[in-house]
Amino acid sequence: GENVEQHPSTLSVQEGDSAVIKCTYSDSASNYFPWYKQELGKRPQLIIDIRSNVGEKKDQRIAVTLNKTAKHFSLHITETQPEDSAVYFCAASGRGSTLGRLYFGRGTQLTVWP
Amino acid sequence: DTEVTQTPKHLVMGMTNKKSLKCEQHMGHRAMYWYKQKAKKPPELMFVYSYEKLSINESVPSRFSPECPNSSLLNLHLHALQPEDSALYLCASSQETTVNYGYTFGSGTRLTVV
Repeated sequence: GENVEQHPSTLSVQEGDSAVIKCTYSDSASNYFPWYKQELGKRPQLIIDIRSNVGEKKDQRIAVTLNKTAKHFSLHITETQPEDSAVYFCAASGRGSTLGRLYFGRGTQLTVWP
Repeated sequence: DTEVTQTPKHLVMGMTNKKSLKCEQHMGHRAMYWYKQKAKKPPELMFVYSYEKLSINESVPSRFSPECPNSSLLNLHLHALQPEDSALYLCASSQETTVNYGYTFGSGTRLTVV
């Protein structure tokens, strides 16, 4: 099945700085890449996603880039705020009989210091 | 209604008990999922239902028994659990599985097996 690697596992930034989280995937047929934010004790929430026919997508302070050739995608958060502190998970889609299934990275604990 | 509702929020059960977790969504989603999440780890897929039929079982022990009575409801029946089954159990839904879509997660049931 798909294998998703996520780095770094922890990331600390000063408020106002940018944060970048990177993921790689193994299955070139994967075509959907969502990012989830999970605050302590809460549910994972979809914050942005990208499909394989698009190279970049932006939503206010959050952007995702996808390099299909290199099989990696990244989350970029600009002008970070303390409320951005959370665990962020990347994921990649399954295919064939596992269509609909998401393969998650191990997560990145982001801490934004005021 | 854009939510996935899970009950109960917390559950403590003994190893000989039988209990059920419930999940409900009214977004018209035809795919529903059970995930298990341990602290500081990504969600792990357990089951996928597509159009009320079980499509993926990730080799989950038989002490976990899923049920999808209709397109809005998903249950997880628990029997003879072990302490290592203590975790956050997340239900999720998506539009369908024939195309990859992002999940909407419920708030989860925090299960403790004593």
